[in-house]
Amino acid sequence: KQEVTQIPAALSVPEGENLVLNCSFTDSAIYNLQWFRQDPGKGLTSLLLIQSSQREQTSGRLNASLDKSSGRSTLYIAASQPGDSATYLCAVSLNQAGTALIFGKGTTLSVSS
Amino acid sequence: DGGITQSPKYLFRKEGQNVTLSCEQNLNHDAMYWYRQDPGQGLRLIYYSQIVNDFQKGDIAEGYSVSREKKESFPLTVTSAQKNPTAFYLCASSRRNRGLNTGELFFGEGSRLTVL
Repeated sequence: KQEVTQIPAALSVPEGENLVLNCSFTDSAIYNLQWFRQDPGKGLTSLLLIQSSQREQTSGRLNASLDKSSGRSTLYIAASQPGDSATYLCAVSLNQAGTALIFGKGTTLSVSS
Repeated sequence: DGGITQSPKYLFRKEGQNVTLSCEQNLNHDAMYWYRQDPGQGLRLIYYSQIVNDFQKGDIAEGYSVSREKKESFPLTVTSAQKNPTAFYLCASSRRNRGLNTGELFFGEGSRLTVL
């Protein structure tokens, strides 16, 4: 059974730091991996989607990598800002239909000014 | 603006009542999904629909029902049979590219249901 783990559960950093959020999954047979951001009481915002054939994706200050063989993905945030404070969730898709997404429980990030 | 609209944002229900959560999207996406989010747990899939007039049960469908009469709309009814309905409910959609689901999910802002 596929399991997705995000460590740490919470992270606090000062503004300006570069940081890495981790996501691990137990079965490498995934279709894609998606990183989301969730603000308190809000829905999820898609940040980056990495297909299983890709190694990384970049958007602005965000870079996500995928290593299927080791069952790991990292989300790198450069020059963190207080506005980056949120919960970051990763989810692996087991099929193309998007009907078998397994979510991690998230890492709650707090960036202080 | 294109997006997914969920309503109401907050809803209170007495035990034994059915309630319906609305989800409307103007993204022209074929697939729509309902998820439930509880504190300390990952999101769990309730129902999904790949095309109009067709829907399938997800991992935790018991006590819920849906309909998909229009491409834009995918309402979720929480019935009195749902034993623990208090939760945050999220609707999502995804698009197809040349007939294949791209796999990227877009979410609404969520509806928080509290049973009194």
